Amino acid sequence: DAKTTQPPSMDCAEGRAANLPCNHSTISGNEYVYWYRQIHSQGPQYIIHGLKNNETNEMASLIITEDRKSSTLILPHATLRDTAVYYCSYNDMRFGAGTRLTVKP
Amino acid sequence: NAGVTQTPKFRVLKTGQSMTLLCAQDMNHEYMYWYRQDPGMGLRLIHYSVGEGTTAKGEVPDGYNVSRLKKQNFLLGLESAAPSQTSVYFCASRMDRGAEAFFGQGTRLTVV
Repeated sequence: DAKTTQPPSMDCAEGRAANLPCNHSTISGNEYVYWYRQIHSQGPQYIIHGLKNNETNEMASLIITEDRKSSTLILPHATLRDTAVYYCSYNDMRFGAGTRLTVKP
Repeated sequence: NAGVTQTPKFRVLKTGQSMTLLCAQDMNHEYMYWYRQDPGMGLRLIHYSVGEGTTAKGEVPDGYNVSRLKKQNFLLGLESAAPSQTSVYFCASRMDRGAEAFFGQGTRLTVV
């Protein structure tokens, strides 16, 4: 069974921030949280990962709670091209069903 | 630098036939993975490898076998294909357990 829990779908207005949550209450102390996305039926694409501290790169920001039981992926200015299924995962590379994000004009 | 390449991209099999899917990576990665993705579903891990000559079972290994004879290649075999194995298969690789993974573009397999 998947160890991560994500909402099945979310909508976001173009230009606004998209905040995608993930619960990972069973994560162990040395496991990273990873985020990937899948556009249409393409191969998933890496976005960002983190251990304890918040992380930011050119694609997104990752906020991890202090207890590490949940995290939020933030796309600061969502575009139509960000419409995709977003997955969070651990080091074990197992994925749940993900969140289908739809960015609307 | 091609990254992760899957061969073939499409295939139609008859029930009971066998086939092998090839995943090749040119990044000298140690870890490689095979997934299946059914329509509207997430990725499910079939088998994985943590280095040349090693393989391990994932979440849904039944009906599949794998081999990692060369570091750059990870083969997924179906000995006797069944309609339930109709799916899109993805391969991924990464340098180590803490690194980002790179995915191939998928193989769409239909078993009739």
